[in-house]
Amino acid sequence: DTAVSQTPKYLVTQMGNDKSIKCEQNLGHDTMYWYKQDSKKFLKIMFSYNNKELIINETVPNRFSPKSPDKAHLNLHINSLELGDSAVYFCASGRTDTQYFGPGTRLTVL
Amino acid sequence: LAKTTQPISMDSYEGQEVNITCSHNNIATNDYITWYQQFPSQGPRFIIQGYKTKVTNEVASLFIPADRKSSTLSLPRVSLSDTAVYYCLVDRGGSQGNLIFGKGTKLSVKP
Repeated sequence: DTAVSQTPKYLVTQMGNDKSIKCEQNLGHDTMYWYKQDSKKFLKIMFSYNNKELIINETVPNRFSPKSPDKAHLNLHINSLELGDSAVYFCASGRTDTQYFGPGTRLTVL
Repeated sequence: LAKTTQPISMDSYEGQEVNITCSHNNIATNDYITWYQQFPSQGPRFIIQGYKTKVTNEVASLFIPADRKSSTLSLPRVSLSDTAVYYCLVDRGGSQGNLIFGKGTKLSVKP
């Protein structure tokens, strides 16, 4: 059973498009997260979210927005995609000190 | 900025014990020390966590001195499959806040 799953695994799109990445966790965790790992392999938190509070990393452009239809899902919506958005995006869930990560979504913006 | 400092890379050979040290001079009283492992094209995976002294599990050991300003992840008898990036993090835990990953240590295990 996959604890944290993401779809799609690969996403190739044109600049200016709007896309979404889905994330689901079956661990019963209250908090979910989105990370971006760029070409230099630096892993950077984008959001942490539970049913009470959204914490946004202030460096994240407002083109990025998390949407949570329920406790088990936290989807990432990206508007007006730019070349610099190309990266691997990881979803995670759990406590801040003990997180379970998904397999990642490799986004390529052409 | 990451709250930890660790070597960028390390090389080892199969069967050796590998020790990766992490500095966290500004660790807070409530912070725990956690190590993650990341293989290429995969998400990070929790390895071990500790607060003080020594913690051991089936994967690794974590040594933390009394002042808690550093910690050492010890991997016994590494194999080729242990080639990965290892991240050291300090965080107080809980359900809110942002976990800050540094650049990690890229461990390369050679035959």
